[in-house]
Amino acid sequence: QVQLVESGGGVVQPGRSLRLSCAASGFTFSSYGVHWVRQAPGKGLEWVAVISSDGNNKYYADSLKGRFTISRDNSKNTLYLQMNSLRVEDTAVYYCAKDYYRFDYWGQGTLVTVSS
Amino acid sequence: QSALTQPASVSGSPGQSITISCTGTSSDVGGYKYVSWFQQHPGKAPKLMIYEVSSRPSGVSNRFSGSKSGNTASLTISGLQAEDESDYYCSSYTSSSTWVFGGGTKLTVL
Repeated sequence: QVQLVESGGGVVQPGRSLRLSCAASGFTFSSYGVHWVRQAPGKGLEWVAVISSDGNNKYYADSLKGRFTISRDNSKNTLYLQMNSLRVEDTAVYYCAKDYYRFDYWGQGTLVTVSS
Repeated sequence: QSALTQPASVSGSPGQSITISCTGTSSDVGGYKYVSWFQQHPGKAPKLMIYEVSSRPSGVSNRFSGSKSGNTASLTISGLQAEDESDYYCSSYTSSSTWVFGGGTKLTVL
């Protein structure tokens, strides 16, 4: 069955960096685009970024202003999100979601807390 | 990338039908078939309920249906059940090759 497992979250100080991972299994990872979506505590879903199946196309939410980088390693069936210059407002649960157009499977999320 | 507009809350009694709207622009909802709806229970990951405006993934009840008219998409839940009480979000592809979500709607089953 399809599984997406996020990891790498934790508590980090403002201005620092963090890299999230999303391990995929149960499907041909290299055939699907994958998204990062976040949800601040008590708030709605916010789209973060998407990467195409081959990694050649990447798109980001304007609000991130170049601080985040999405990448993937199809040999390891893993998606990444490099987050730099973290701000308090980046505090959220970060989800990965499969399929470029459908978001048909989601992981359980990893919590990132940015606090001094 | 302004969020799509959804009502903050809707409610209905068991057995009734409710509709949740999702309003965007011609650059997102009105311009593409890639409109999806998600259900999210507290503390859980979102679950895909509708994709490409009106298609249902396997395993999703046929009580859930989607439609679109102009810049507004809609999710209708018929035969409301207690288990449908949840938060619902719409999403759309945009002309910038990005994606945008709605602000979310809390459904209360009375």
